[in-house]
Amino acid sequence: NAGVTQTPKFQVLKTGQSMTLQCAQDMNHNSMYWYRQDPGMGLRLIYYSASEGTTDKGEVPNGYNVSRLNKREFSLRLESAAPSQTSVYFCATLILNGKGGEQFFGPGTRLTVL
Amino acid sequence: DAKTTQPPSMDCAEGRAANLPCNHSTISGNEYVYWYRQIHSQGPQYIIHGLKNNETNEMASLIITEDRKSSTLILPHATLRDTAVYYCIVRVANTGNQFYFGTGTSLTVIP
Repeated sequence: NAGVTQTPKFQVLKTGQSMTLQCAQDMNHNSMYWYRQDPGMGLRLIYYSASEGTTDKGEVPNGYNVSRLNKREFSLRLESAAPSQTSVYFCATLILNGKGGEQFFGPGTRLTVL
Repeated sequence: DAKTTQPPSMDCAEGRAANLPCNHSTISGNEYVYWYRQIHSQGPQYIIHGLKNNETNEMASLIITEDRKSSTLILPHATLRDTAVYYCIVRVANTGNQFYFGTGTSLTVIP
């Protein structure tokens, strides 16, 4: 099993360009998350999807949109990239195992906006 | 979800126990305490979680005070590979809602 995969691993954009970060999981987990992590900082939640067909805003949703395409895939879109969106983006899933739940993280996408 | 407070950094000698504290004084009765760690720039890795009883697994032990307002993560025999940022999180379990990560504790294991 690949677990949680993210594409691309690295990306450089110019201000105003758009792009979509892809996340896919093969663990059949219901909930999926997008976080960003700025240098020296903790993770901040952008959006999450508790189940297929639902999405909700996290702490820092401005400038982003998401799509929960199906149970496996959860994409994050930057419509008009800004230098403030330079960050590492992590996708995660959650398994509810009757003992509280556990998150699994992807390897991250390193995005630079010039 | 309740907020947590952790020291920004700690050192530990290799082979000794690393005790990482976390305060969560506003925790609710249905909120679990979770610990994750992040090594370098990798995605965070789950360590352990608990509700009110102490928990132990192959990686660590979690000690939760009786009033549940604080907890301690114990790495019994720290190795250099345990150098990482450790995050303490409290959240309502069994829901697909948010995990809020703070800034964590940067643990450095010294040879």
